[in-house]
Amino acid sequence: QIHLVESGGGVVQPGRSLRLSCAASGFIFSDNGLHWVRQAPGKGLEWVALITKNGDEEYYTDSVKGRFTVSRDNFRNMVYLQMDSLRVEDTATYYCAKSLTGDAAGHWGQGTLVTVSS
Amino acid sequence: DVLMIQSPLFLPVTLGQPASISCRSSQGLFHSDGTSYLSWFQQRPGQSPRRLIYRVSHRDSGVPDRFSGSESGTDFTLDISRVEAEDIATYYCMQGTHWPHTFGQGTKLEIK
Repeated sequence: QIHLVESGGGVVQPGRSLRLSCAASGFIFSDNGLHWVRQAPGKGLEWVALITKNGDEEYYTDSVKGRFTVSRDNFRNMVYLQMDSLRVEDTATYYCAKSLTGDAAGHWGQGTLVTVSS
Repeated sequence: DVLMIQSPLFLPVTLGQPASISCRSSQGLFHSDGTSYLSWFQQRPGQSPRRLIYRVSHRDSGVPDRFSGSESGTDFTLDISRVEAEDIATYYCMQGTHWPHTFGQGTKLEIK
C-alpha cells in the first residue's frame, strides 16, 4: 500500500525558512518523480515543484523559483522542500504527490500546513 | 504559463443525472511523445485530492466507470454519467505537458 506522509509544517514569520519532508513507502521510490502541490486556505490547487526520479532535474512554478528547493534521498525514501524567504502568500497546505500525469498509480499525502505570519 | 480555464465553477446537480465539467487550455497539450498530459482530480471536503483520469481519458484503478474524460483540441471534458452522493466534491483539471504544470480553478459539484 502506497503511503506519502508529509511533516515539517508550522507557523513561521515572513522572511524565515522552513523545510518540509515527505516519507514514502509502498512503491519503488527511485522509479518515481515526486511533486509538491499546495492549497491556500479555501482556495484551489497550485502545482509547486517536481523532482525527477534520480534527482537530476527540478522544476518549479514561477512564484517560488529562487526561494524553494526540492531534493530527495533515494536511500531513505524521502523528499524535501526547502522553503526560504517565505511570504504571507506561501501560507497553504503542502501536499507531496506521485504520478500526477503518468501511467503509474497516483497518490497524495495528507498534507502539512504552513502558516506564514508575523 | 499555460492557463487552464474550467467551467462552470459551480455545478448544481441532481443525483442520478449526468454532469459535465469543461477545461480549456491556453495552449495545445499535445506532447512530442504523442500524448496529451491532462489529468482530472477529485477533492472531497476535508480530504486530499485523488486522481481520477490521466492522459485525457485513462481511468485510475478503482475509479467507477461512470467517470470518463475526452478532448477536442484544447477543450477537455470530464463526464459523470449518473451522479452519486459520493461524487459531491471539487474537481480540478491539470496539464502536465508544459512547465510549470498548472491546475484549473476547480469546479464544485453541489446537490441541486
